[in-house]
Amino acid sequence: GAGVSQSPSNKVTEKGKDVELRCDPISGHTALYWYRQSLGQGLEFLIYFQGNSAPDKSGLPSDRFSAERTGGSVSTLTIQRTQQEDSAVYLCASSSGGTGSSYNEQFFGPGTRLTVL
Amino acid sequence: AQKITQTQPGMFVQEKEAVTLDCTYDTSDPSYGLFWYKQPSSGEMIFLIYQGSYDQQNATEGRYSLNFQKARKSANLVISASQLGDSAMYFCAMREVLWGYALNFGKGTSLLVTP
Repeated sequence: GAGVSQSPSNKVTEKGKDVELRCDPISGHTALYWYRQSLGQGLEFLIYFQGNSAPDKSGLPSDRFSAERTGGSVSTLTIQRTQQEDSAVYLCASSSGGTGSSYNEQFFGPGTRLTVL
Repeated sequence: AQKITQTQPGMFVQEKEAVTLDCTYDTSDPSYGLFWYKQPSSGEMIFLIYQGSYDQQNATEGRYSLNFQKARKSANLVISASQLGDSAMYFCAMREVLWGYALNFGKGTSLLVTP
């Protein structure tokens, strides 16, 4: 039973470049979440997917951020025209609970550490 | 969004002693769930314990227990018999219904266990 995996584990990029971060959730998990962890802001929620649908994108910090999920499985978080303030660890989590679940343990991936120079 | 407050940025405890990490929350929803996660220096997020607002008893998981005081809106984590491996960041979180049950985290408490 594999856990949540994320790739790459580390990404260094230059300001202005686009980056793609990948998340492979636990097989069968319908809910998928993206978070960002930075020194100044702690752990911030970015976006969630129920199946392939992202009902609410208001947590994304700017329109440079987008995310998609295909086949109810893999998700990609894309950051366009990266800025230095985008430097953070991006964490993905998945859970088997649907929106009606009161107990919704989330299993986290190891994260992608993004550094924007 | 609901609010989670962890007022202790850092805590020290001696090995084998018990320690309490504070967490208060603010919500108007009568149904809610509270979580504690541990994040060691390796960066992984490890689920520790869960408390539902309608649970009759305080949650316990091994050396972890939750001192849940609903009227005071507090959900403090108690670690008994601390071990060196307990040194880590500890986050209190509440699920957000509007976010599809994503977690709203507090700022965290850094715990250092000393020999």
